[in-house]
Amino acid sequence: SQQGEEDPQALSIQEGENATMNCSYKTSINNLQWYRQNSGRGLVHLILIRSNEREKHSGRLRVTLDTSKKSSSLLITASRAADTASYFCATDDYKLSFGAGTTVTVRA
Amino acid sequence: GAVVSQHPSWVICKSGTSVKIECRSLDFQATTMFWYRQFPKQSLMLMATSNEGSKATYEQGVEKDKFLINHASLTLSTLTVTSAHPEDSSFYICSARAPGQGLHEQFFGPGTRLTVL
Repeated sequence: SQQGEEDPQALSIQEGENATMNCSYKTSINNLQWYRQNSGRGLVHLILIRSNEREKHSGRLRVTLDTSKKSSSLLITASRAADTASYFCATDDYKLSFGAGTTVTVRA
Repeated sequence: GAVVSQHPSWVICKSGTSVKIECRSLDFQATTMFWYRQFPKQSLMLMATSNEGSKATYEQGVEKDKFLINHASLTLSTLTVTSAHPEDSSFYICSARAPGQGLHEQFFGPGTRLTVL
């Protein structure tokens, strides 16, 4: 079942700006993962954050997790046109439950 | 990294026919594979979990007699959409989880776009 809800649904930014999207979930989690999907393609795993972690970095990506608020955020810094895609959070209790996704458009 | 392939990448069929979609893990053995369906501009919805050598576990609301899943080997799972109808038109994506992958990462196939006329 779909557990995560993402906000905003869509985001349009200028190249070089930062993009922030949020994800809220309902039940306890082992970990939370973020994925990217280019239009009409499969998913690419971006980053995994465990329930006992609060923040994690990977290149231009920064993920935070607040288990008390059952929320996570994904920040993409210094965005590029190639970052244009849909981004999904997914909670993991062995099977993944995906959020509705945020569609990010980076304008050149 | 681990690679998962799907075949075909797209298929168009007539209403009432059956379509088989293959999901293969190319460089690892996948004890568990997952099948998702994604409608346009929507998220991925898990349809079923497929374990090698056993029956698939279907999510609530997914008709097991309509969506037949076979996981006969550690590298291949198939999804057969039987008696397809236009409302079955969707993007079907599989993923695989390898044993011993401590990070709980799932590796996704590129998806199969099914259009039922």
